Amino acid sequence: SQQGEEDPQALSIQEGENATMNCSYKTSINNLQWYRQNSGRGLVHLILIRSNEREKHSGRLRVTLDTSKKSSSLLITASRAADTASYFCATGSSGGSNYKLTFGKGTLLTVNP
Amino acid sequence: EPEVTQTPSHQVTQMGQEVILRCVPISNHLYFYWYRQILGQKVEFLVSFYNNEISEKSEIFDDQFSVERPDGSNFTLKIRSTKLEDSAMYFCASSDTGASWDTQYFGPGTRLTVL
Repeated sequence: SQQGEEDPQALSIQEGENATMNCSYKTSINNLQWYRQNSGRGLVHLILIRSNEREKHSGRLRVTLDTSKKSSSLLITASRAADTASYFCATGSSGGSNYKLTFGKGTLLTVNP
Repeated sequence: EPEVTQTPSHQVTQMGQEVILRCVPISNHLYFYWYRQILGQKVEFLVSFYNNEISEKSEIFDDQFSVERPDGSNFTLKIRSTKLEDSAMYFCASSDTGASWDTQYFGPGTRLTVL
């Protein structure tokens, strides 16, 4: 798989359920970030986890990072219809004086009311 | 909350024409980026920019592309002679520092359609 590959590609759940999305990557990273994109819209930053962190929370979001397995997961608890969007993981790697993000293909989450 | 803005939201152009996509990064940010997303595909890095210089560019960013910070607030991406395959959503992003723990904040994107 390529850097920053999410699975599943699509996930459909009922409102109130939890949604878990996974991301795998191949090379060493400095950080891993999760973004949300509503259909045809911009990328909204959700959470950043550094390579020396294992877990991070933000509201209903919980992100884990396992650098030994080169994987991360994003958990959205008590999902809402408004959470319907594509979710991307992006790995940060250094290049020159700053770093660039490498995105996965994303998971399309549909939360049914 | 400060945000990155981009104009126009949608640009339609004829093949071979020049286009300039405009971005206003968050005001105190120093690092700027362009990414693009072809419909149905991944978001791809194009170029990063700091201190009025390109820091890094991808293979996509060939001689047809250029970036500029013409004044203290705008950051532009120019495509000199557009091709059909340049049709995509173009995202501008900015960050406070170039550090690996820093967040890149994205604008809403410009949808470029080349006919």
